[in-house]
Amino acid sequence: GIQVEQSPPDLILQEGANSTLRCNFSDSVNNLQWFHQNPWGQLINLFYIPSGTKQNGRLSATTVATERYSLLYISSSQTTDSGVYFCAVGYHNDYKLSFGAGTTVTVRA
Amino acid sequence: DVKVTQSSRYLVKRTGEKVFLECVQDMDHENMFWYRQDPGLGLRLIYFSYDVKMKEKGDIPEGYSVSREKKERFSLILESASTNQTSMYLCASSGTYNEQFFGPGTRLTVL
Repeated sequence: GIQVEQSPPDLILQEGANSTLRCNFSDSVNNLQWFHQNPWGQLINLFYIPSGTKQNGRLSATTVATERYSLLYISSSQTTDSGVYFCAVGYHNDYKLSFGAGTTVTVRA
Repeated sequence: DVKVTQSSRYLVKRTGEKVFLECVQDMDHENMFWYRQDPGLGLRLIYFSYDVKMKEKGDIPEGYSVSREKKERFSLILESASTNQTSMYLCASSGTYNEQFFGPGTRLTVL
């Protein structure tokens, strides 16, 4: 299966700081998603981004499919950004997603 | 917005009981999924369904079965619950390009 590696595993930020999370994957994929798991356990969709760059408020993401990595940027972090961020990859013609182990982000006030 | 709902947020059952976890989606998605999430093991796929009455085993199907009688509803069944099935259960649905949307999760404790 596809190997997915996320870094760093843990990140502690002061409120207002910026950060970059990375996702490396081992194969050419055409499905890539970023999720945020909130403290209650729900996985919230952040981006569906198999290639290119997208922005949503203080969050943005870039996927360079040819180099097999994706980056998630958090700007002006807030305490509500705390939680675990997952990257998941796959193929359009395969139902399975391969998940990374996640990056645990803690934002301190 | 896609909405995926699960029947319970928290559930406590006894060993040997039959347990039903229900998932409903409102976006007419063809595909539905059941995962479990455990500390240190990440998300693991139990079963998925690509159409009504169709199902495929995921990575850890042992001890589970599923039912999909209607397109919007996907049920996970634990025939005889065991303590090692204590976990967080997450349901998801997806359409054509397999962009998956998750429900709020069910924390199941088996005593």
